[in-house]
Amino acid sequence: QQPVQSPQAVILREGEDAVINCSSSKALYSVHWYRQKHGEAPVFLMILLKGGEQKGHEKISASFNEKKQQSSLYLTASQLSYSGTYFCGTVSQDSNYQLIWGAGTKLIIKP
Amino acid sequence: GAGVSQSPSNKVTEKGKDVELRCDPISGHTALYWYRQSLGQGLEFLIYFQGNSAPDKSGLPSDRFSAERTGGSVSTLTIQRTQQEDSAVYLCASSLSPGLGYEQYFGPGTRLTVT
Repeated sequence: QQPVQSPQAVILREGEDAVINCSSSKALYSVHWYRQKHGEAPVFLMILLKGGEQKGHEKISASFNEKKQQSSLYLTASQLSYSGTYFCGTVSQDSNYQLIWGAGTKLIIKP
Repeated sequence: GAGVSQSPSNKVTEKGKDVELRCDPISGHTALYWYRQSLGQGLEFLIYFQGNSAPDKSGLPSDRFSAERTGGSVSTLTIQRTQQEDSAVYLCASSLSPGLGYEQYFGPGTRLTVT
């Protein structure tokens, strides 16, 4: 079942903060975050694993609430380069290593 | 090092024709994934390979779609008797392992247009 991302879209001024959420009804092993700029392929941002391990870019932070099967991506002091669509992907016990992708959150940063 | 490459970058074909899309993963990556992305939409999983075998083919939309991987490297996605609804960007990704903690590296995609 597809994870639910919220909000669907957000518009920020440069320097403002944003939080993007991803929730699932399944018991998750891991949550993955990617960013896709218009006309480009998705680029890896972060992986959060059950048990607390994280891998990703230093300037990106995220959390994973294992009890609630929710993850949040925190974008602080946003820059114009943060614009794009953010996708979360979840791996659960019955997903057979397959990432189930959310529908995406479109982030627009204005100067 | 070289990233994931895909060819062709663009393909325009007539309805009913067959097409082949190619993916060259990053050297040493054992897992390879195919996705489809329609305009403004999310990523639709099609199939993944661990080595040359495909443990999960559940995402293939119909029996017109097939994929193979040879030598643990190059993969080909074939769409037979293309339909207009097949028009989309087809993305390939590879990862070191299909394990839960490995990031996927995406190729630039093949934009398929069926007229």
